[in-house]
Amino acid sequence: EPEVTQTPSHQVTQMGQEVILRCVPISNHLYFYWYRQILGQKVEFLVSFYNNEISEKSEIFDDQFSVERPDGSNFTLKIRSTKLEDSAMYFCATRPYAGGGTGELFFGEGSRLTVL
Amino acid sequence: DAKTTQPPSMDCAEGRAANLPCNHSTISGNEYVYWYRQIHSQGPQYIIHGLKNNETNEMASLIITEDRKSSTLILPHATLRDTAVYYCIVRPGSNYKLTFGKGTLLTVNP
Repeated sequence: EPEVTQTPSHQVTQMGQEVILRCVPISNHLYFYWYRQILGQKVEFLVSFYNNEISEKSEIFDDQFSVERPDGSNFTLKIRSTKLEDSAMYFCATRPYAGGGTGELFFGEGSRLTVL
Repeated sequence: DAKTTQPPSMDCAEGRAANLPCNHSTISGNEYVYWYRQIHSQGPQYIIHGLKNNETNEMASLIITEDRKSSTLILPHATLRDTAVYYCIVRPGSNYKLTFGKGTLLTVNP
């Protein structure tokens, strides 16, 4: 069964460092999302992305965050200068198209970011 | 988005049916009811969704009341691997973004 692949599975970084989290979406999926989950808390929406543009972003997704598809396949989330409060599990999710199907989002297994 | 209310936790015996309730009394006519689950901090997994009619797939059944103000997810024969947090989410038809609540922690006991 096709799946969304995320790397790294776990990253430890120092506060202030830049981090890039990568996601390989399911082939032919066109819509991409990042969510995060701080330990013990809810899964929170960060951003949605379609046709090389941000479709929607949450208040969490400030200027320190950016997303792109640098090579037309990988979908990345960059945090420019990490803070302690960025420590969380980051989930990539994708879906194939706007109409039809179940409308489900396919989630990756997540990248755990630990900021020291 | 319509708000959902779920019990924080439930227990179920292995092999028995698990019935997880969800209240969404402010749901609008074009909003779908989706259920996802999250097993031990893994990525959320889609289970089932519905608009008005009851739905069934290989994983579960979804019963939506006639007034659409509540629904019940049914796992017909729960196994230990079904232990997870189950999220009931109301999603507008035009926006595929999901807004997660705290969900229900279902513990399936041997």
